[in-house]
Amino acid sequence: DQQVKQNSPSLSVQEGRISILNCDYTNSMFDYFLWYKKYPAEGPTFLISISSIKDKNEDGRFTVFLNKSAKHLSLHIVPSQPGDSAVYFCAASEVQGAQKLVFGQGTRLTINP
Amino acid sequence: DAGITQSPRHKVTETGTPVTLRCHQTENHRYMYWYRQDPGHGLRLIHYSYGVKDTDKGEVSDGYSVSRSKTEDFLLTLESATSSQTSVYFCAITPSGGLGTEAFFGQGTRLTVV
Repeated sequence: DQQVKQNSPSLSVQEGRISILNCDYTNSMFDYFLWYKKYPAEGPTFLISISSIKDKNEDGRFTVFLNKSAKHLSLHIVPSQPGDSAVYFCAASEVQGAQKLVFGQGTRLTINP
Repeated sequence: DAGITQSPRHKVTETGTPVTLRCHQTENHRYMYWYRQDPGHGLRLIHYSYGVKDTDKGEVSDGYSVSRSKTEDFLLTLESATSSQTSVYFCAITPSGGLGTEAFFGQGTRLTVV
């Protein structure tokens, strides 16, 4: 039972264009959502988050959108840069308690020059 | 650098042997976690701790045990390693929990069970 799903294993985008990564969840108790970026042989690093009381959060080139009714969130990267090539994980948790993260399977983003 | 150190970084062990992975933090954070990463599954929670000697199970806890005798150290033990436990293991910490904060991850331990 995959509570957080990233249905695209990979995505290829041209440098300078927009990258859009998608994530769906099934558990309505989730109220905090995060995106992590991972390079090979390194741990995941936090990128951006959003709580369920918002529908958009922006940080520089990164914007996360949350559609609670559809249980869907997306990460937009504009403009995409070669250094953005990595695996991106969507994660969700309940705000109260132990902050146990439930992760999606990940999407490998490749930015082409 | 979130002040998390995992050791060892790489380990090869034989089926049936016990293995202990260590996570050390310098941040004095209350919550510590162990995740494993496998292709097609993302990261899955094994066990977590909410204080010294306070631990609980995660999604994939079978075959694993943990201990936390000091705030800074969280140990993960594979009691009798199996090939299905070949994976990359990540330790994570969060400052307090309860208010929606991000977790910081260590660099990972690649474990191979042969």
